[in-house]
Amino acid sequence: AQSVTQLGSHVSVSEGALVLLRCNYSSSVPPYLFWYVQYPNQGLQLLLKYTTGATLVKGINGFEAEFKKSETSFHLTKPSAHMSDAAEYFCAVSGGETSGSRLTFGEGTQLTVNP
Amino acid sequence: NAGVTQTPKFQVLKTGQSMTLQCAQDMNHNSMYWYRQDPGMGLRLIYYSASEGTTDKGEVPNGYNVSRLNKREFSLRLESAAPSQTSVYFCASLRAMSTDTQYFGPGTRLTVL
Repeated sequence: AQSVTQLGSHVSVSEGALVLLRCNYSSSVPPYLFWYVQYPNQGLQLLLKYTTGATLVKGINGFEAEFKKSETSFHLTKPSAHMSDAAEYFCAVSGGETSGSRLTFGEGTQLTVNP
Repeated sequence: NAGVTQTPKFQVLKTGQSMTLQCAQDMNHNSMYWYRQDPGMGLRLIYYSASEGTTDKGEVPNGYNVSRLNKREFSLRLESAAPSQTSVYFCASLRAMSTDTQYFGPGTRLTVL
């Protein structure tokens, strides 16, 4: 079984500050991990994903995440926040082909960027 | 490519009414999914179809039925709507492998009075 915990349902940063959104997972199979972003009244858009290989993954809009197996974490970072980064962010883990590649999502983190 | 499309965008039902949410994808993807999104709960899987001709229950299937009409289309039916089914519903599709990306539709906002 898979589960995802996102620490902090709301995170507020100043424009230009570091963004850090936390994600911890539990998985009974080697994890495939995803970060999605949701802008108001829209669907989800993939930011980045970890499948195999390099543990530091770069995504769109300057975001990156590092897979740390020993800490079962996949935290999302961005060095300098922009106003346009204000959105809700979801971490997800895949259950693999034996479970239809279904995703289990965390509860989400709402990011606010203050001018 | 339109990607994943959903109809309708908004719907208001009375308790006990039925309706079908439609989803279609034009990416030739094998797998399709229905999720519901509620505040503070992330997205929860209702049903999925790993391939054409198959459907399986997800985390919260009670009160819903699905039909994988063909490879493109995957519909979600509420036979007797309840206020607890007020939510935003998202359809998603996946090409084939767990390492592939799930692509999401724009969502249907459903209110049950």
